[in-house]
Amino acid sequence: DADVTQTPRNRITKTGKRIMLECSQTKGHDRMYWYRQDPGLGLRLIYYSFDVKDINKGEISDGYSVSRQAQAKFSLSLESAIPNQTALYFCATSGFAGQASTDTQYFGPGTRLTVL
Amino acid sequence: AQKITQTQPGMFVQEKEAVTLDCTYDTSDPSYGLFWYKQPSSGEMIFLIYQGSYDQQNATEGRYSLNFQKARKSANLVISASQLGDSAMYFCAMREGHNDMRFGAGTRLTVKP
Repeated sequence: DADVTQTPRNRITKTGKRIMLECSQTKGHDRMYWYRQDPGLGLRLIYYSFDVKDINKGEISDGYSVSRQAQAKFSLSLESAIPNQTALYFCATSGFAGQASTDTQYFGPGTRLTVL
Repeated sequence: AQKITQTQPGMFVQEKEAVTLDCTYDTSDPSYGLFWYKQPSSGEMIFLIYQGSYDQQNATEGRYSLNFQKARKSANLVISASQLGDSAMYFCAMREGHNDMRFGAGTRLTVKP
């Protein structure tokens, strides 16, 4: 079984709809992240959480919100989806290794979101 | 300012040959980590190798090695004995201290039979 799972794997929605992407992990990691990937732009960080009570904005948080329901669950919401949010979304997790810069992140399989 | 630069949008290599994927970075933080990920056509992101800024030796993981040149701020990935399954996008990433991880735009590697 995969250590980091994302649901749904694919989603097509319409402009203005609210949508939630979910992420679960069995790695026992404290840290969880949401990224989006657009062609030619690599991955960009949307939000991250270092524990259940800690939520931080990333590089491109506008138009998104998150909820850390438990150590193992981190969900991303688009309150009112727009077409330029069409992208591949990744959840990732990491465990604190004593030095933050060594923190290897492990990714889920991705969710392909299309906003029409 | 661009933190991570991958100057090769696409690379080709013959099967069984070695290939180097370039990555340069920009930071003034003495503590940072450098990472390489592989993204096959199926879309998942697979962690390959890590190099810490204080590591004295270049990191190696099987056929992957990281050519770390600290003074030049480069962290090139070397894949030895390329296989057809190595065809994928490759991303270099850096994390400075407690900050976010930043990714490069990626290099698409194609291994030719």
